[in-house]
Amino acid sequence: DTGVSQDPRHKITKRGQNVTFRCDPISEHNRLYWYRQTLGQGPEFLTYFQNEAQLEKSRLLSDRFSAERPKGSFSTLEIQRTEQGDSAMYLCASSSLVAGNTGELFFGEGSRLTVL
Amino acid sequence: GQQLNQSPQSMFIQEGEDVSMNCTSSSIFNTWLWYKQEPGEGPVLLIALYKAGELTSNGRLTAQFGITRKDSFLNISASIPSDVGIYFCAGRYIPIQGAQKLVFGQGTRLTINP
Repeated sequence: DTGVSQDPRHKITKRGQNVTFRCDPISEHNRLYWYRQTLGQGPEFLTYFQNEAQLEKSRLLSDRFSAERPKGSFSTLEIQRTEQGDSAMYLCASSSLVAGNTGELFFGEGSRLTVL
Repeated sequence: GQQLNQSPQSMFIQEGEDVSMNCTSSSIFNTWLWYKQEPGEGPVLLIALYKAGELTSNGRLTAQFGITRKDSFLNISASIPSDVGIYFCAGRYIPIQGAQKLVFGQGTRLTINP
């Protein structure tokens, strides 16, 4: 296992369409995070899973966004009825319970969304 | 909410020069981290700081956790072309309820002229 894997790396869609991103964390990492990064800004926290439980969601995560981690391994982030303001890089990160205590998040390469 | 102010926003330097950037916060953090991000990639952790006053090095990189726990700096010595990228500071806090999460600065874009 070489790290956090995200798919697709790039997605171009028309406004109003639904999109789904997948994240495969580092094996045995029980904590998984989704962040969003817009151009020229640092990443912003969206949501967090410990195993399969979604423990926290940011105010940034509107009702059109839903994230799941059904078996406590990979996670999906779905955006329904996309809007142009959803265009951003969606970053996934994972950490282990031990590493989580030190704040060491390992990020994937991101999924860049462009909404036309 | 918590915010981090990172400066400078961008730097244009000659190869071989030293670089210094810093991050300040209105809130206290118990961990400071520095990440580097290259175009089209996710952030990569460079240095983590866990104690106020801590000074940590990673090769040509040196970072310090401020005594007040509200600031941190990163220095890069003898810059080389592969240092090009965007450097982000991040503070970690543990809320009374909810997930531990990182708050990021706006980034410092480093450009190096050979």
